[in-house]
Amino acid sequence: GQNIDQPTEMTATEGAIVQINCTYQTSGFNGLFWYQQHAGEAPTFLSYNVLDGLEEKGRFSSFLSRSKGYSYLLLKELQMKDSASYLCATMDSNYQLIWGAGTKLIIKP
Amino acid sequence: ETGVTQTPRHLVMGMTNKKSLKCEQHLGHNAMYWYKQSAKKPLELMFVYNFKEQTENNSVPSRFSPECPNSSHLFLHLHTLQPEDSALYLCASSQEQGSGSSEAFFGQGTRLTVV
Repeated sequence: GQNIDQPTEMTATEGAIVQINCTYQTSGFNGLFWYQQHAGEAPTFLSYNVLDGLEEKGRFSSFLSRSKGYSYLLLKELQMKDSASYLCATMDSNYQLIWGAGTKLIIKP
Repeated sequence: ETGVTQTPRHLVMGMTNKKSLKCEQHLGHNAMYWYKQSAKKPLELMFVYNFKEQTENNSVPSRFSPECPNSSHLFLHLHTLQPEDSALYLCASSQEQGSGSSEAFFGQGTRLTVV
């Protein structure tokens, strides 16, 4: 079967670093996406990884290990506005997105 | 104006009502999607249209009926819904289905409550 696992909720402190993990089992693999979704708003694209390694984009970085079926999203210098849900999704062999349930990140002052 | 616009933002309907959700994208994309988002559950793909042709129907009950008159507009027609259908319904678009790196752009969703 196809499955995406990520923690339900995480808490971190403003200015700190947090790593949100995602493990997956899918039929085929055509890349992994991370999206951010603030409460009551649309999910917005953060990153796409299809090859192993780390992709850095400002304060956010995303890592992928295809052999381990594992990814993480790293957020540095946390700001209060980073409080949101972070959705992990993989694209299977049919180019269909398989979504995790999302990780709610709470930032405390 | 945002890339993907959904109306209405909120909808309360009775189980015997008929209503429609509307989605419009101004990005020149060729693929459009309907998703259902329930609390603490993964996004559930409902329907996919690629170049105005329906390519996916993920075992969605017939009380949900999609319509895609052109590549910019997508509707979801609702009738005789059940309380468990209450959820956030998200529309998304992408350049085309079957393109690996093609990110999806989402609308802000319609919060549907069935009473």
